Amino acid sequence: ETGVTQTPRHLVMGMTNKKSLKCEQHLGHNAMYWYKQSAKKPLELMFVYNFKEQTENNSVPSRFSPECPNSSHLFLHLHTLQPEDSALYLCASSQGSQASDSETQYFGPGTRLLVL
Amino acid sequence: TQLLEQSPQFLSIQEGENLTVYCNSSSVFSSLQWYRQEPGEGPVLLVTVVTGGEVKKLKRLTFQFGDARKDSSLHITAAQPGDTGLYLCAGAPGGTYKYIFGTGTRLKVLA
Repeated sequence: ETGVTQTPRHLVMGMTNKKSLKCEQHLGHNAMYWYKQSAKKPLELMFVYNFKEQTENNSVPSRFSPECPNSSHLFLHLHTLQPEDSALYLCASSQGSQASDSETQYFGPGTRLLVL
Repeated sequence: TQLLEQSPQFLSIQEGENLTVYCNSSSVFSSLQWYRQEPGEGPVLLVTVVTGGEVKKLKRLTFQFGDARKDSSLHITAAQPGDTGLYLCAGAPGGTYKYIFGTGTRLKVLA
């Protein structure tokens, strides 16, 4: 238990569906991240939020839409996904201090997404 | 594009053997981290190294950061089945939170 929870743990959706992934951290952190982990590729950073402001969008397609209503919650809204979007989606959080570039990131267990 | 290549990609060894995993890049990183990920879980941080040439030990695990801060290694002594998992290195270019993850090494230790 790392203090970062993700729901749902598994999700199957069709290409025309709209769904949302939820992440919650109980660590008092100020930075939150979405990553995509595919079988054949390295873990890819998608989005970074620091103090509720999006500071990084790593060229992610618009069918992925993040939302960070407060420092403890992060959502990833999914719309008209493609089969190649099937992957493990990981959320992480860190302290968010601007002084350190070697922060510890705490990962959630991930949501395994299958797009049919 | 900054890349972190890990080798080997897969490793299957017997309990009690030693092993080394490598993480290499052509880019310089201000810090480098090693994670272990078990099935059904997210990665868990093992160590952060920040100084070129730095060596850190965590029980049977020894981590080294290259002098030029472009590469790192993880050495496990007397591997145990509990060491089984996916080992990931991650580098942070200076002043950003944009961690770049390596390609991963999947380790299996047989009892």
